[in-house]
Amino acid sequence: AQSVTQLDSQVPVFEEAPVELRCNYSSSVSVYLFWYVQYPNQGLQLLLKYLSGSTLVESINGFEAEFNKSQTSFHLRKPSVHISDTAEYFCAVSEGNTDKLIFGTGTRLQVFP
Amino acid sequence: DARVTQTPRDKVTEMGQEVTMRCQPILGHNTVFWYRQTMMQGLELLAYFRNRAPLDDSGMPKDRFSAEMPDATLATLKIQPSEPRDSAVYFCASGLDGITDTQYFGPGTRLTVL
Repeated sequence: AQSVTQLDSQVPVFEEAPVELRCNYSSSVSVYLFWYVQYPNQGLQLLLKYLSGSTLVESINGFEAEFNKSQTSFHLRKPSVHISDTAEYFCAVSEGNTDKLIFGTGTRLQVFP
Repeated sequence: DARVTQTPRDKVTEMGQEVTMRCQPILGHNTVFWYRQTMMQGLELLAYFRNRAPLDDSGMPKDRFSAEMPDATLATLKIQPSEPRDSAVYFCASGLDGITDTQYFGPGTRLTVL
């Protein structure tokens, strides 16, 4: 069965600094990969997803993630964070040929002024 | 601006009581998911439906939980009887066919069972 590991439960960073949120998955089959973001007291929102094609995917607010099949990773990066990026970030992987997503435990990104 | 709505937003109840949570998916979406989020377990899929038919409810405790879609605009999650360990935030999400489509999450129902 697929699983997702987000090693960092919390990542503190200063505003305008770069950040990387790590995500590793385990799967023996082709997968789809997702990053969702959850702001306080809200539901999750899709940030970006990898389905096929270019291994580098981007979001509209400056985040990007790179699918690395050999390392089974899908790390999320942003070159310069804003206070408004403070949120919980969840990596997710598709499970087999179902519509089910397996979520990681989340990484709380805290951006300080 | 189409959104998934959930009611109630907050529910406090006593152990043994019945709890019903409701979800209105985005109009036109034919897939509905129920998730539970806790600090200890993270985000867990409880059940999901396609075209109102249950496809998978393996994540749901069968003895006390039930999920239904009486019609295309309403999904319900019921707990009877409720227990303190059921305290969590319950999210509903909807989407179109297939895993490649985005899941749109509602704001959640925060359940506290005393």
